[in-house]
Amino acid sequence: DIQMTQSPSTLSASVGDRVTITCRASQNIGGWLAWYQQKPGKAPQLLIYKASSLEIGVPSRFSGSGSGTEFTLTISSLQPDDFGTYYCQQYDSYSRTFGQGTKVEIK
Amino acid sequence: EVQLVEESGGGLVQPGGSLRLSCVVSGFIFSSYATSWVRQAPGKGLEWVSVISASGGSTKYADSVKGRFTISRDNSKNTVYLQMNSLGVEDTAVYYCAKDRHMGLLPTQNDAFDFWGQGTMVTVSS
Repeated sequence: DIQMTQSPSTLSASVGDRVTITCRASQNIGGWLAWYQQKPGKAPQLLIYKASSLEIGVPSRFSGSGSGTEFTLTISSLQPDDFGTYYCQQYDSYSRTFGQGTKVEIK
Repeated sequence: EVQLVEESGGGLVQPGGSLRLSCVVSGFIFSSYATSWVRQAPGKGLEWVSVISASGGSTKYADSVKGRFTISRDNSKNTVYLQMNSLGVEDTAVYYCAKDRHMGLLPTQNDAFDFWGQGTMVTVSS
């Protein structure tokens, strides 16, 4: 199975900060990577698919990059509503594994 | 409006027991999209469980549930099911149904999930 590793596990940042989350795959997954945001008690929400494609309705401050085994999610200017846990997910293989999550807190 | 609603099946069950989850969808052409179940144990991350192709002819499972869970769908009822047998405490989780983002994919193709249900809690405990 393909393993997905995110870093950091938690981060605390101020409104307006640029925030970057990294996701590494245990093998080459091409560009078949998605990013989700999950808030407590809610279902995840798709932010980015195919590594860098912004989902409809998602603010443009979110962006994704990378290919192969290393990927990043960037929030260009952190907003109060951006708190939550962020997950990467590979869908190169049918098992569609998720990273362990990165919890983002607003200072 | 796209909606996925886990209408029934969640609850408390004893170890070794069975449960069937249902997810009713609306707002899109259900028969054109693969659908998955994803679970989340309390305080833990997301774990993909199973996927069924748009036609229902192809199914895949996580190793952790293979042989115990069965995914199925009824396109005439816009519903996907997850039959869960031989449940263990490790199966305790919120279970979400989720649809593939793109329609018409081959069973060999995989996709991100653009819409999710609200989740239903399954608790396995004696």
